[in-house]
Amino acid sequence: QVQLVQSGAEVKKPGASVKISCKASGYTFINHYMHWVRQAPGQGLEWMGIVNPSDGSTSYAQKFQGRVTLTRDTSTSTVYMDLSSLGSEDTAVYYCARGYPRYSSSSHSDYWGQGTLVTVSS
Amino acid sequence: DIVMTQSPDSLAVSLGERATINCKSSQSVLFRSNNKSYLAWYQQKPGQPPKLVIYWTSTRESGVPDRFSGSGSGTDFTLTISSLQAEDVALYFCQQYYTTPVTFGQGTKVEIK
Repeated sequence: QVQLVQSGAEVKKPGASVKISCKASGYTFINHYMHWVRQAPGQGLEWMGIVNPSDGSTSYAQKFQGRVTLTRDTSTSTVYMDLSSLGSEDTAVYYCARGYPRYSSSSHSDYWGQGTLVTVSS
Repeated sequence: DIVMTQSPDSLAVSLGERATINCKSSQSVLFRSNNKSYLAWYQQKPGQPPKLVIYWTSTRESGVPDRFSGSGSGTDFTLTISSLQAEDVALYFCQQYYTTPVTFGQGTKVEIK
């Protein structure tokens, strides 16, 4: 069965960076794009970007350009989200979410990771 | 960016009654070459990730009860729960995936009256 397992909660100081992993299993990793979405406490869903695990190409939301980097490791079927220059407004739950259909960046998300809480506090 | 606007922000419906959520996009999300509107609906319960309910406007995800249905085209869409059950209490989001950045509605909270 398809599973996306994310790394654990993080506490960071303002100005620091955070790197979250998302390990995929149960399907052919390179066939599906991976989205990253975040949700601040009590707020809605905010799309951050997408990575094509096949070739590593990426697309980012304008808001996060220059601060977010999505990478992948095909040997371990893992996608990473790196967010730098953290501020208190980055306190949120971060989700990876598999894109469907295959091979398309114009994709909804049929499977989601469990979420990773990042808390930014001095 | 395509702006997604849901209405209402919250609604309370009696058990067994119909719940209707609307979603409007600031521009069409209809891809004419395949005649599909790139619109999905997600359900989110507290402490859980979102769960896909409907995609391609009206296709129910596997395992989703048939009391959930989606309709619409172009810029106006609706999620209907035909007979509200206690387990349907949740936050619901619409999403356009026609183009990046993918964007979501602000969410609609569904409660029992």
